Parts: sequence; structure tokens; C-alpha cells
Amino acid sequence: EAGVAQSPRYKIIEKRQSVAFWCNPISGHATLYWYQQILGQGPKLLIQFQNNGVVDDSQLPKDRFSAERLKGVDSTLKIQPAKLEDSAVYLCASSRGTSPHEQFFGPGTRLTVL
Amino acid sequence: AQTVTQSQPEMSVQEAETVTLSCTYDTSENNYYLFWYKQPPSRQMILVIRQEAYKQQNATENRFSVNFQKAAKSFSLKISDSQLGDTAMYFCAFRNAGNMLTFGGGTRLMVKP
Repeated sequence: EAGVAQSPRYKIIEKRQSVAFWCNPISGHATLYWYQQILGQGPKLLIQFQNNGVVDDSQLPKDRFSAERLKGVDSTLKIQPAKLEDSAVYLCASSRGTSPHEQFFGPGTRLTVL
Repeated sequence: AQTVTQSQPEMSVQEAETVTLSCTYDTSENNYYLFWYKQPPSRQMILVIRQEAYKQQNATENRFSVNFQKAAKSFSLKISDSQLGDTAMYFCAFRNAGNMLTFGGGTRLMVKP
């Protein structure tokens, strides 16, 4: 089966600009996750969707970050406006459901904010 | 809230030898899962091995095995017969009942020929 797809793979923007990332999960996977991985650190969960509803977004900086999964399949993560500290790899993952299903990760989008 | 600590930022091992990566965690939950993920330079995170907290038997997957000490909240990964392809970042992760993962800071493993 096809894996989790993400685009773009790389993005360079200037601070205060906006950026959006796209994720297509594995077919049939109800749960989708967005992680932020700062260089040299482990991934940090930003938001978790179950179908098109938000399960947890407690670590999402809601003043500048937003995410949606309108039809319960693809998802977009947006940053507006970007700050220097947002430079990171943004990973998308999906699973069939919640516990105890394995999460499958996409290749990530590397964001550089100048 | 859960915390996961990996105390070894970097490690190296000679090809064909054995290496052990350390991980400790803190939680008040009783039912949880622990994982080791591998992240090669290409960045795709791959599951290496998992352990259910209610199982006393340590998990094994081919050359990879864990030493799970629930009382000590310790979860180490042993890689036997190390191969060049094992070179990667390794992350220990804790999963709660809601399927939310908390990752450690990672250990960079270099396998030398």
C-alpha cells in the first residue's frame, strides 16, 4: 500500500510570511497526526485528528498555527505569520485508529524561516 | 504528562558488534506502549520494535531486542550484529491510551566498518 505522502518536501520563507503543508494519509486510516521536529530533537505532537474532528491540539500554537482535515482524508497545516523558531521538519503520520494502532510516518517537510 | 529521556546523544559501534541504547520514562499511567523508532538521514520514521507495558516478556524483532524494566521505568534497545544500514537516529517513544506519542530527544548511532 502507498505510504503517507507530504508536500512540499522543502520550503524556505522569510519571517512573517505564510506557509502551508499538505498531507495525504494511508488509505483507510482514520487518525492523522502532525508533528514538529526541531533539529536535534524528537518529534513533538502538534495536533491529532480522528476523521475530521480534532482529538488533541493542546500543543498547537493557535495564535499562528492552524490545521484542518475537512473531508476526513487529506490535511493541511498552516503557519501565519511564520517566526524564525518555526524552522523545523513537519511530519505527518496516520494510523487506522487510536490505540493500539501503529502510526506510519511521512517523509516530512523541512521548513526554513529566514 | 509523560516524559521520555534518552541520555546518550551519540553512540558508535563497529560493524557486527552489539550496542545498547538507553531510555527512561516517567508516567503515572499503568497501561501504555513503548516504542523504538529509527530515522535514517532520509527522515522517514520507521518503527523498529514495540513493547506492551502489561507484557513481562521482552520484545524481540530479529537483531533488535529490548530490556523492559517496568518498575525502573527503563526501556533499552539492543542491536546485535550491527550493520552499516543501522546508522540512524533512534527515538524512544511512549504511547498513552489515546495513541498520542511522546518522543525522547534521540540517540545518533553510527555503525563503523
